[in-house]
Amino acid sequence: KQEVTQIPAALSVPEGENLVLNCSFTDSAIYNLQWFRQDPGKGLTSLLLIQSSQREQTSGRLNASLDKSSGRSTLYIAASQPGDSATYLCAVRPRANNLFFGTGTRLTVIP
Amino acid sequence: EAGVVQSPRYKIIEKKQPVAFWCNPISGHNTLYWYLQNLGQGPELLIRYENEEAVDDSQLPKDRFSAERLKGVDSTLKIQPAELGDSAVYLCASSKQGNNEQFFGPGTRLTVL
Repeated sequence: KQEVTQIPAALSVPEGENLVLNCSFTDSAIYNLQWFRQDPGKGLTSLLLIQSSQREQTSGRLNASLDKSSGRSTLYIAASQPGDSATYLCAVRPRANNLFFGTGTRLTVIP
Repeated sequence: EAGVVQSPRYKIIEKKQPVAFWCNPISGHNTLYWYLQNLGQGPELLIRYENEEAVDDSQLPKDRFSAERLKGVDSTLKIQPAELGDSAVYLCASSKQGNNEQFFGPGTRLTVL
């Protein structure tokens, strides 16, 4: 069974700092990987989707990379803002199967 | 474009009572998912529909949980009877095809007393 791990579990940074969130998965045979954001008491908002054939995806201040062979993905957030405070979840889709989620990284950006 | 709609947003019931959750996916999305999210954990799949067919219900506790998507559009997830351990957030998601980007609804937070 696919296992997804996110480190660190929680992170606090001052506003304006660049930061990296890490995601690792045990089975490299994946179809795609998706990063989500979840605000307290809310559903998940899709941030970036990386297909297995891609190395990275960018959206605004966010950049996600994928190294399928080593089972790793990173989410880079540039110039962090207090509004970025949320829990960030990584999820992988094994081929023809469903999403497997990590437990998330809770990010706090301090003004 | 409207997102995934779920109702109710919150539900409090006593144990052994039945409860039902409703989900309306994004228009045109033929794949629908129900997830369970416990506090501090990532979501876990309960059931996945392709149109009206449940193609993966291996994680659905069938002794007390049931789901339907009769016309291949909206879906209902039911628990009968509810247990204390069922307290969690129930999330619905949809995608255009089985392997494309998933979009989530706001979830239903269930509290079983």
